[in-house]
Amino acid sequence: DAKTTQPPSMDCAEGRAANLPCNHSTISGNEYVYWYRQIHSQGPQYIIHGLKNNETNEMASLIITEDRKSSTLILPHATLRDTAVYYCIVVSSNTGKLIFGQGTTLQVKP
Amino acid sequence: NAGVTQTPKFQVLKTGQSMTLQCAQDMNHEYMSWYRQDPGMGLRLIHYSVGAGITDQGEVPNGYNVSRSTTEDFPLRLLSAAPSQTSVYFCASSSLPGGGTEAFFGQGTRLTVV
Repeated sequence: DAKTTQPPSMDCAEGRAANLPCNHSTISGNEYVYWYRQIHSQGPQYIIHGLKNNETNEMASLIITEDRKSSTLILPHATLRDTAVYYCIVVSSNTGKLIFGQGTTLQVKP
Repeated sequence: NAGVTQTPKFQVLKTGQSMTLQCAQDMNHEYMSWYRQDPGMGLRLIHYSVGAGITDQGEVPNGYNVSRSTTEDFPLRLLSAAPSQTSVYFCASSSLPGGGTEAFFGQGTRLTVV
């Protein structure tokens, strides 16, 4: 399973876009990039995923570089409720296993 | 549709006791898994299952047993609890991989071993 590298923490002003980077330089062709977040000590919540194309849903956008070695999660208008730990995970379409790293703690400030 | 339900929410055990953490899902998902999360850390995979009768080990399987007799249930058994097993345990379920599917997580069981 490919490993990911994320900055341990980031700050963002409320109402501004939050851009969370993730490196996954060893990703294979059949591996997806997934993003989950964990608010306080609740169960992780799915945000978005992609294979090679950029993706957008009601929560966020996912930008994947052409070589697929890195990606960026974009929360377009961050609110205080977006303060959480964000996990970037590479998942094999064969195994489906989610292997979590340390994630990025995003602090949204008023 | 309740999603993924974990019971109990809180538990205190004495060292050496055994117990079973329950996990049930009502989404007819084939894939289920158990994680533990220690303070300030990410989640670590304990065991997982790709269907009834099929289980496999994750990153940290020692001290835990699982079985999968039905699609809906995936209990996690602590054989002889140790203080090092004090943690928050999360259960997750999803459809089988192959097209990119999201996992749903329970709200966790907070276990303290004294």
